[in-house]
Amino acid sequence: GQNIDQPTEMTATEGAIVQINCTYQTSGFNGLFWYQQHAGEAPTFLSYNVLDGLEEKGRFSSFLSRSKGYSYLLLKELQMKDSASYLCAAETDSWGKLQFGAGTQVVVTP
Amino acid sequence: ETGVTQTPRHLVMGMTNKKSLKCEQHLGHNAMYWYKQSAKKPLELMFVYSLEERVENNSVPSRFSPECPNSSHLFLHLHTLQPEDSALYLCASSQDRGAGYEQYFGPGTRLTVT
Repeated sequence: GQNIDQPTEMTATEGAIVQINCTYQTSGFNGLFWYQQHAGEAPTFLSYNVLDGLEEKGRFSSFLSRSKGYSYLLLKELQMKDSASYLCAAETDSWGKLQFGAGTQVVVTP
Repeated sequence: ETGVTQTPRHLVMGMTNKKSLKCEQHLGHNAMYWYKQSAKKPLELMFVYSLEERVENNSVPSRFSPECPNSSHLFLHLHTLQPEDSALYLCASSQDRGAGYEQYFGPGTRLTVT
């Protein structure tokens, strides 16, 4: 079966760092996507990891360990606008089929 | 218009009604997708179209019927829905169908079945 696990909710203060973990167990695996979804809006692409290691993109970084079936999204210097749901999605075949987690709601407080 | 647009944004329909959801992408992409997003649940892939051909149907009930008349437009025809079909329906597109292609999502249609 396919299983993508991520925490339901995380709270952090403005300026802090938050790490959202995602573990996956899928019958096939090609790569790992992270999307951001603000309430009532479309999910938007944040990152894609296909090789092990850390990919940094401004305040956001994403890490992948294929052997451990594990990824995390690191949000640094949190801003109020970062309050959103963060979706982890495993690419389960070479055709790009995505299996999504239920999302992690990040709440940034002043 | 840019990106992926969806209409209507909100829809309330009775169980005996017939309605259609529309998606349009202005990105020149070749693949389009329908997803269902229920509260606190993962996005569920419903259908995939590549170059206007349906290439994936994820065991979706026949009361949902997709149509892709060209590479820019995607429809989801709805009939005799059930209350449990109430959800956010998201359309997405990608340059092509294949590994590593980022999917661009529309804002969704919030469907309520009464």
